[in-house]
Amino acid sequence: DTEVTQTPKHLVMGMTNKKSLKCEQHMGHRAMYWYKQKAKKPPELMFVYSYEKLSINESVPSRFSPECPNSSLLNLHLHALQPEDSALYLCASSHYHGGEETQYFGPGTRLLVL
Amino acid sequence: AQTVTQSQPEMSVQEAETVTLSCTYDTSENNYYLFWYKQPPSRQMILVIRQEAYKQQNATENRFSVNFQKAAKSFSLKISDSQLGDTAMYFCAFMSRDDKIIFGKGTRLHILP
Repeated sequence: DTEVTQTPKHLVMGMTNKKSLKCEQHMGHRAMYWYKQKAKKPPELMFVYSYEKLSINESVPSRFSPECPNSSLLNLHLHALQPEDSALYLCASSHYHGGEETQYFGPGTRLLVL
Repeated sequence: AQTVTQSQPEMSVQEAETVTLSCTYDTSENNYYLFWYKQPPSRQMILVIRQEAYKQQNATENRFSVNFQKAAKSFSLKISDSQLGDTAMYFCAFMSRDDKIIFGKGTRLHILP
């Protein structure tokens, strides 16, 4: 089983709202990732968590705040977003970080910021 | 810095035909991994095939196979007996030892009935 789940599937929020995206995997993977994908573009890495600790932050604005409560869950907290943040947000996981392991992606959350 | 280039923005083929998607990359590393990911209209990224750079044998997965030419830094994907469900955006991707994936810009593949 290589399933990564993400909720919600779609999200519409205003620029003053606070919302959260959730990602979950039960494959025992110890590395989890957030990507942002604009339409007709490849995914761009945002954050990497390894063993529940943030190991990579690709200079993402502070209005995006990741959280890894446990080894199966990864959240992305959103606050004061801009319309240009509208995109597909993909979560991925791999066995561990630093071992050139295959990343398995979730179905994504389509975010629209009004 | 590593780069991944997909020179075919869009392709169309008839169902049951064979199609080859091109990918070239640039790196100074000797050990790395290459992937092809498929993203259908649902936009879920699905791993199609993976190739370890240290393996000379080309990876195959059912109807999908690659032609890996390490010296030429080329990694093409061949889809045999194409099916309507193969319609998707295909991303070639490179992973180095720091586990960062670098994606190409993608090739949009249409399988025509």
